[in-house]
Amino acid sequence: GEQVEQLPSILRVQEGSSASINCTYENSASNYFPWYKQEPGENPKLIIDIRSNMERKQTQGLIVLLDKKAKRFSLHITDTQPGDSAMYFCAARYNQGKLIFGQGTKLSIKP
Amino acid sequence: EAAVTQSPRNKVTVTGGNVTLSCRQTNSHNYMYWYRQDTGHGLRLIHYSYGAGNLQIGDVPDGYKATRTTQEDFFLLLELASPSQTSLYFCASSDGQGAGNTLYFGEGSRLIVV
Repeated sequence: GEQVEQLPSILRVQEGSSASINCTYENSASNYFPWYKQEPGENPKLIIDIRSNMERKQTQGLIVLLDKKAKRFSLHITDTQPGDSAMYFCAARYNQGKLIFGQGTKLSIKP
Repeated sequence: EAAVTQSPRNKVTVTGGNVTLSCRQTNSHNYMYWYRQDTGHGLRLIHYSYGAGNLQIGDVPDGYKATRTTQEDFFLLLELASPSQTSLYFCASSDGQGAGNTLYFGEGSRLIVV
């Protein structure tokens, strides 16, 4: 299988708190897991990624965790700000190269 | 940063109409992709190509043709547009398909089929 499931589809959190988005994948051969952020009216842009030889990666308030046994990866945004409001997409790349995207999460930060 | 340019940005056509969406990338990337974005479905791959003259079928190819005329140019063709093809279309490019190769997206083309 080549599905990527992403939850939740809608997420509202208070400014300053953390937000977490979870994705699961089916193909254990997946080796690359990027996260894209899409602001309203804009195109998706890569914000962080993790390869299968890592379990954790952190950059500028973003943390990505990868659990290969559970075939699960997650994005954690710490100290959320209004500028974090956007659509977020997870994705998984399989050996044959295609990038399969999750369904997306609409994150809203409440002031 | 990679430059991927799409045209038209907005298009309205009638059922049965003929539509061509154009994409040009100026970064000498080998791979180009067409995705459609729909609420609840995320980004779904229609067609992709790894070089001029090459075409690979994606996950939702029905009703779409594509052609890669040069390394820079990738076209998506809807020869008999249907309302189910109303969507936001993104073109993207990448240097390769190995782990770590980033997708760079264009600005999107919104198509409405009435």
